[in-house]
Amino acid sequence: KAGVTQTPRYLIKTRGQQVTLSCSPISGHRSVSWYQQTPGQGLQFLFEYFSETQRNKGNFPGRFSGRQFSNSRSEMNVSTLELGDSALYLCASSSTEPFVDTQYFGPGTRLTVL
Amino acid sequence: QKEVEQNSGPLSVPEGAIASLNCTYSDRGSQSFFWYRQYSGKSPELIMFIYSNGDKEDGRFTAQLNKASQYVSLLIRDSQPSDSATYLCAVTGGANSKLTFGKGITLSVRP
Repeated sequence: KAGVTQTPRYLIKTRGQQVTLSCSPISGHRSVSWYQQTPGQGLQFLFEYFSETQRNKGNFPGRFSGRQFSNSRSEMNVSTLELGDSALYLCASSSTEPFVDTQYFGPGTRLTVL
Repeated sequence: QKEVEQNSGPLSVPEGAIASLNCTYSDRGSQSFFWYRQYSGKSPELIMFIYSNGDKEDGRFTAQLNKASQYVSLLIRDSQPSDSATYLCAVTGGANSKLTFGKGITLSVRP
């Protein structure tokens, strides 16, 4: 099976712009989660989508939003970019092993805000 | 606020030694526990998960869970330089709940 794919892999934006990141989950996986990773804060949960519905949400401002399509592909959007949004954005899709939802990560999108 | 703590890092061990990585969590309702490995510049990759008290072995890796003490650990036997990476502990409250990560511990295996 192909793994989780994310596009683009690298992005450079300026403050105030907006950005859209894309994630294609492993075939058959219906849940997609997004994380922000920075050296200081580690991996922080943004949100999770399951069957096109947001199922869980982290503690991020409303500038961060997402959606999921009927084919389980997901996008996240960050509006009005700030310097502090520079980070590695990771997408993970999950399957349900017996009793356990196991998340598998994509390669990430490295966002730099200038 | 659910917390996952990974302290006592970075860790350096000689090649062939046992590396012991520890993690504590605050939510007694936590049900599933994961260990991920992340090489520099790469994304996390799943090593193993555990949800029952006791030990779970997979090759050179053993995960240990003690729910009474809210403690989960990862042992790496016969450590190799290729094991040098950051190890992330993650905890979930069960199906449909989010995964909470610790900040990771960096392991260096000296040849």
